[in-house]
Formats: sequence, C-alpha cells, structure tokens
Amino acid sequence: EVQLVESGGGLVQPGGSLRLSCEASGFRIGDYWMHWVRQVPGKGLAWVSRIKGDGSVTNYADSVKGRFTVSRDNAKNTVYLQMTSLRVEDMAIYYCARDGPGPESAGAWGQGTLVTVSS
Amino acid sequence: QSVLTQPPSVSATPGQKVTISCSGSNSNIGNYHVSWYQHVPGTAPNLLIYGSNQRPSGIPDRFSASKSGTSATLDISGLQTGDEADYYCTSWDSSLSALIFGGGTKLTVL
Repeated sequence: EVQLVESGGGLVQPGGSLRLSCEASGFRIGDYWMHWVRQVPGKGLAWVSRIKGDGSVTNYADSVKGRFTVSRDNAKNTVYLQMTSLRVEDMAIYYCARDGPGPESAGAWGQGTLVTVSS
Repeated sequence: QSVLTQPPSVSATPGQKVTISCSGSNSNIGNYHVSWYQHVPGTAPNLLIYGSNQRPSGIPDRFSASKSGTSATLDISGLQTGDEADYYCTSWDSSLSALIFGGGTKLTVL
C-alpha cells in the first residue's frame, strides 16, 4: 500500500526556518518525481516544489524560490522541504505527493502537516 | 489571481450534471495535459483525472473531462451530496517552469 506521511510542521516565528519530511512506504521514491503542495487556510491549493527521482532536477514556485529547498534521501525513502526566511503568508498545510499516473499529476498524497508562522 | 481560471462556485441538485471550466493559455493547457482534483479542506486531495481525460482506477465514470485548445472542462454527472468539495485543475506551465493550480471551484449539491 502506498503511503506518504509528512512531519516537521509546527509554530515558527517570521524569518525562522523549518524542515518538513515526507516518509514514503509501499514504493521507491527514487522511481518518481515528488511534489510539495500547500493550502493556506481559506485559500486554494498551490504547488510549491518538485524533485526528480534521482534528485537531478528541482523546480519551485516563484513565491518560494530562493527560500525553500527540496531534497530527497532515497535510502531513507524520504523527501524533505527545507524552508527558510519564513513569512506569515507561508502559513499553510503542506502536503507531499507522488507524481503519476500521468505527467504532472499526483495520484498519492499524504495527510499534510501544518506550518504556522506567527510571532 | 491564478494563471488557470475557474469559476469560484457551481451548484446543482442531486442527480443533475455540472460542468466546471478551466481556462489557461498556450504556455500551459494549450501544450500540456490537465489534471483534476477533488479536495475537501483538511483532507488529502484526490486525483480525479490525469492526462486531460483519463480516470485513475477507482474513480467512477460519473467524472469525465476534456480539453480543447487552451481550455479544459470537468463534468460530473449523477451528482451526489458526497460530491460536495472543492475542485481544482492543474497543468504544467512552461513560462513559469511550475505546476499551476486553478483557483478552485466550490461545488454545492443543493
């Protein structure tokens, strides 16, 4: 069974940092692109970042470029999102998702982890 | 304001059919596939359609979709109260080098 479990969310002050983890089971993350998507409370879904199976390619939304870094540890079957210089507008539920079955689609999702940015 | 434009809300009664539109441009829908998601806030999004018109296994054929030019549509027939959710279209955008979501459409089943 495919499972994705996010962790690492919590309360952080503006300007602070946080690292989210997404542990996968039931498949090898090295075989898939992996995405991070967020939802600001009361707002719509927004794509954040993606990383290729071998880690050789990463892409970011303009809103997080230069502040967030996506990485993966295929040995641990885990994807990470390092978030720095956090802003109030980054406060959201962060989901990780597995690419597929089609290109740029995401058929498997975690339950999300809440990031609260507040002083 | 999203690059992909969806109506903020649609409504219909049980048993009816509803159509949700998603309008983009040549840098996204015009040259890339569209996916559609159903999302109940606080839960994991659910992939309904990939490859512009393909259903993953387990998605009932009440959900169908199509794409023409720079626009796409999601049709939901035989509406059920359990279909109440937010629906999003997505597509890759070559100008942004980013996956973009539409603003979402809230479906109310009256």
